[in-house]
Amino acid sequence: KQEVTQIPAALSVPEGENLVLNCSFTDSAIYNLQWFRQDPGKGLTSLLLIQSSQREQTSGRLNASLDKSSGRSTLYIAASQPGDSATYLCAVPHYGNNRLAFGKGNQVVVIP
Amino acid sequence: DVKVTQSSRYLVKRTGEKVFLECVQDMDHENMFWYRQDPGLGLRLIYFSYDVKMKEKGDIPEGYSVSREKKERFSLILESASTNQTSMYLCASSLPKTGEGNQPQHFGDGTRLSIL
Repeated sequence: KQEVTQIPAALSVPEGENLVLNCSFTDSAIYNLQWFRQDPGKGLTSLLLIQSSQREQTSGRLNASLDKSSGRSTLYIAASQPGDSATYLCAVPHYGNNRLAFGKGNQVVVIP
Repeated sequence: DVKVTQSSRYLVKRTGEKVFLECVQDMDHENMFWYRQDPGLGLRLIYFSYDVKMKEKGDIPEGYSVSREKKERFSLILESASTNQTSMYLCASSLPKTGEGNQPQHFGDGTRLSIL
């Protein structure tokens, strides 16, 4: 069974600092990994989907890396802003790729 | 953009009631999913459907059933609501998996359900 761990569970950073969020998974036989953002009381918004054949995927200030062999992904957010305050979740496929296994999230607060 | 719409943002029901949560997507996605999200437990899959009238149990199906009569609509049913079903319920949809694996899931805004 795929297990997904996100460290740290919560962090606070001053505005302008770069954010580094970590995700690890136990079964490296994956096709891709997806990063989501969740604002309090809301649903999930897809940020990036990185294929196993890619090592990095970028969207604006966001950059996700994937090291399948070591079972790790990192989400970098450059020059953080208060609007980046949210919970970030990573998810990987399991059970024949029909389903996703989610981490419990990195809760981020960016202090103005 | 994909739009996944959940019929209610907040819902309050009583113990023993039969509760229906509705989800509609507008992108002709084959796959639809129902999750619940609880503090400290994360997202857990209740049921999913990969086609009309098709369904598969997720990790926590007990106490729930689902209905998919039309491709765009996926309903979650709490047969006899109990207080331990108080939670945030999230619906998602996606295209079917390809040779590159599963496709991105797109989520609705969630329904905060309270059972009194």
